[in-house]
Amino acid sequence: NAGVTQTPKFRVLKTGQSMTLLCAQDMNHEYMYWYRQDPGMGLRLIHYSVGEGTTAKGEVPDGYNVSRLKKQNFLLGLESAAPSQTSVYFCASSHGEEAEKLFFGSGTQLSVL
Amino acid sequence: GQNIDQPTEMTATEGAIVQINCTYQTSGFNGLFWYQQHAGEAPTFLSYNVLDGLEEKGRFSSFLSRSKGYSYLLLKELQMKDSASYLCALMDSNYQLIWGAGTKLIIKP
Repeated sequence: NAGVTQTPKFRVLKTGQSMTLLCAQDMNHEYMYWYRQDPGMGLRLIHYSVGEGTTAKGEVPDGYNVSRLKKQNFLLGLESAAPSQTSVYFCASSHGEEAEKLFFGSGTQLSVL
Repeated sequence: GQNIDQPTEMTATEGAIVQINCTYQTSGFNGLFWYQQHAGEAPTFLSYNVLDGLEEKGRFSSFLSRSKGYSYLLLKELQMKDSASYLCALMDSNYQLIWGAGTKLIIKP
């Protein structure tokens, strides 16, 4: 049982480049989330989805886009990377009836130069 | 608005007991959560309190007082593997999780 899988684990971008982070879960969870984690700060929600084909903005959505074309996948896109987007990104999922219990992926360390 | 405070770092001795406090201010409340995060790894769920009182789960217990905006995580019989960051989070009135910055717990032999 893989749980939540994120790719890639590490990435270095130049300012202005684009990339997509991939998240897949095999637990049939309805809810999926993208967070960023920065030193000295709590996890901050970027975007989330409550079901296939739906997405919503979180606390810090600017500069990011997401898509959930299939229930098991949640993609996070950076169209034009900026140094301020250097962070560790975590994908998470949860079951609709136990939405408080999040299952996290192993994270993506992104550096934007 | 919402605010969560927890100590940045704590040190404890192997075999001892440690209490990690979390205070919060919020206009809406739907639960208080604790997660454990080892360095370089993903957070993992530890506990969930929605009613006042103590929830015990093995060596770990979590306490909540809604009237005081206060929670703590109690770790007993500390082991070296308990060295990690402990994240406090509250679920607000919109069922969104608001996270504290985490408490780094260092266990010494």
